[in-house]
Amino acid sequence: DAKTTQPNSMESNEEEPVHLPCNHSTISGTDYIHWYRQLPSQGPEYVIHGLTSNVNNRMASLAIAEDRKSSTLILHRATLRDAAVYYCILNKRDDKIIFGKGTRLHILP
Amino acid sequence: DTGVSQDPRHKITKRGQNVTFRCDPISEHNRLYWYRQTLGQGPEFLTYFQNEAQLEKSRLLSDRFSAERPKGSFSTLEIQRTEQGDSAMYLCASSLWRRGRNTQYFGPGTRLTVL
Repeated sequence: DAKTTQPNSMESNEEEPVHLPCNHSTISGTDYIHWYRQLPSQGPEYVIHGLTSNVNNRMASLAIAEDRKSSTLILHRATLRDAAVYYCILNKRDDKIIFGKGTRLHILP
Repeated sequence: DTGVSQDPRHKITKRGQNVTFRCDPISEHNRLYWYRQTLGQGPEFLTYFQNEAQLEKSRLLSDRFSAERPKGSFSTLEIQRTEQGDSAMYLCASSLWRRGRNTQYFGPGTRLTVL
């Protein structure tokens, strides 16, 4: 399975944008880039996914490098409720999710 | 609330006992997944069903573990002869699988403590 590399933790100030990086240098042409997050004491929740083009939804934006070897999840205006572990995942279309350790995001008031 | 429910939310048992967990997915979802999560780690895939068929099992799923989804709706995960190493959060997820789409919706999990 193609692997992803994320920082163990990051901090950001409330109401500021947050850029969460993910490296996936061994990504294959059929791998989708997914982001899930896990709030404290909850199951993971879907955030966003993409293949080649940048994607936006109500939760976040996903910026994918032209060579697809890295991507960035962008939270446009972080709130305290965005404090969570963020997982960057590669998977084949329709395949199961293989989680790594993710990035623990701390939001400072 | 994602619409996926799990029961019980917490289970404390003694080593050697059997335990069973239940997952009720979102009603129209055809795929159902089980994961296990230990402290500080991401969830680990255990197994998944499409309708009532169990399509894949992880090597993590020892012979003591069995999962069923008899009518393609709810699922159960049973652990026989529990060991302390089985202590973890057991997560269930469901998805409406169709070509190119497989967003998974997770339940709140069942926390198992084996004494």
